[in-house]
Amino acid sequence: DVKVTQSSRYLVKRTGEKVFLECVQDMDHENMFWYRQDPGLGLRLIYFSYDVKMKEKGDIPEGYSVSREKKERFSLILESASTNQTSMYLCASSFSVGRGLADTYEQYFGPGTRLTVT
Amino acid sequence: AQSVSQHNHHVILSEAASLELGCNYSYGGTVNLFWYVQYPGQHLQLLLKYFSGDPLVKGIKGFEAEFIKSKFSFNLRKPSVQWSDTAEYFCAFESGAGSYQLTFGKGTKLSVIP
Repeated sequence: DVKVTQSSRYLVKRTGEKVFLECVQDMDHENMFWYRQDPGLGLRLIYFSYDVKMKEKGDIPEGYSVSREKKERFSLILESASTNQTSMYLCASSFSVGRGLADTYEQYFGPGTRLTVT
Repeated sequence: AQSVSQHNHHVILSEAASLELGCNYSYGGTVNLFWYVQYPGQHLQLLLKYFSGDPLVKGIKGFEAEFIKSKFSFNLRKPSVQWSDTAEYFCAFESGAGSYQLTFGKGTKLSVIP
């Protein structure tokens, strides 16, 4: 069973703080993703990574950065948290092409971190 | 730009009613399609997926979806809903170009009244 874990379920931070959200997967997936989920807006991709030390911007990267030093771990960093970053943050992982078509592209999600910035 | 449109924001049904949730995508090439479900307080999980072959795809918990290429649609159906189907449903697609990224719709909240 694929497991994607996130370091916290709930987090409250103050404006201007540096915030780290951690995600770990145990399935040796190449790809990892960070989304934010807001009511009425669905899931929006912040950043993704297809290999260690590689990263690509998603649709809404402003105000965020990421780090992937090990294959199983993908961190999302809010350099200076702001109130408009209050949201649910979801991490996901997937295999890349070549592992078998049936598994390709299917993303497995973590439980989410609900971040409140005050 | 690639996008997914889910027609209904909130659907309210009585138990045993039939369900159809609409999903249309905008992309002219080959696509891989998904429906995900998020039960209250739980993480997103895959309901079903389409890659190729039979356009009628069956998933978990009695759900099915039909891919109609000419209509760019991938509607989700269930003949008889239960209270436990109360959840938010997300349609998503991948462009088939090896990008690994999924484009998600905004979601449809389903409330089933006992």
